[in-house]
Amino acid sequence: EDQVTQSPEALRLQEGESSSLNCSYTVSGLRGLFWYRQDPGKGPEFLFTLYSAGEEKEKERLKATLTKKESFLHITAPKPEDSATYLCAVPQGGSEKLVFGKGTKLTVNP
Amino acid sequence: IAGITQAPTSQILAAGRRMTLRCTQDMRHNAMYWYRQDLGLGLRLIHYSNTAGTTGKGEVPDGYSVSRANTDDFPLTLASAVPSQTSVYFCASSEGDRLNSPLHFGNGTRLTVT
Repeated sequence: EDQVTQSPEALRLQEGESSSLNCSYTVSGLRGLFWYRQDPGKGPEFLFTLYSAGEEKEKERLKATLTKKESFLHITAPKPEDSATYLCAVPQGGSEKLVFGKGTKLTVNP
Repeated sequence: IAGITQAPTSQILAAGRRMTLRCTQDMRHNAMYWYRQDLGLGLRLIHYSNTAGTTGKGEVPDGYSVSRANTDDFPLTLASAVPSQTSVYFCASSEGDRLNSPLHFGNGTRLTVT
């Protein structure tokens, strides 16, 4: 069965302490990988789409990268406002289903 | 501001009661979706609609029904609520085929079934 696994489940950083979140997937025939940010009490907000291995996209302090088996969301010099749960998702091969990971809850302390 | 509006924001419902969660979008997106989000399980697709007049079943459709009479509205109905349907429900839309277009989510309905 196609799966999406995110790690770590939770991550605490000090302001300015860079790190990376991981999203590994086992879907066959990847047709795109999506990253979302979710704040408490809100719906997920779209960040990036990556379509092919080697692709990179950036937005402010965030950079998403993609390999054939996983994606990383790099956070450079994070600020407290970057605290949120970050979700990744991939379309399941051969179906209408978008498979979401369980997310990484990021907390950035001032 | 363009986006997705969900109502109600939260609801406490007695088991066995019927409930319709409302979802309206003003982006003229073709595709719409209903997800439920549960702690430890993540987001799971309940039903979807690729275009007005069509609907399809997702991963966890049992106990839920949807309709898509027009482009903007996509209500989700619980015919007879059960406690296991306690969850946060998110409506989403996408401009085209979900596999190529990002989803835009509403802010959810928190439903408690007692």
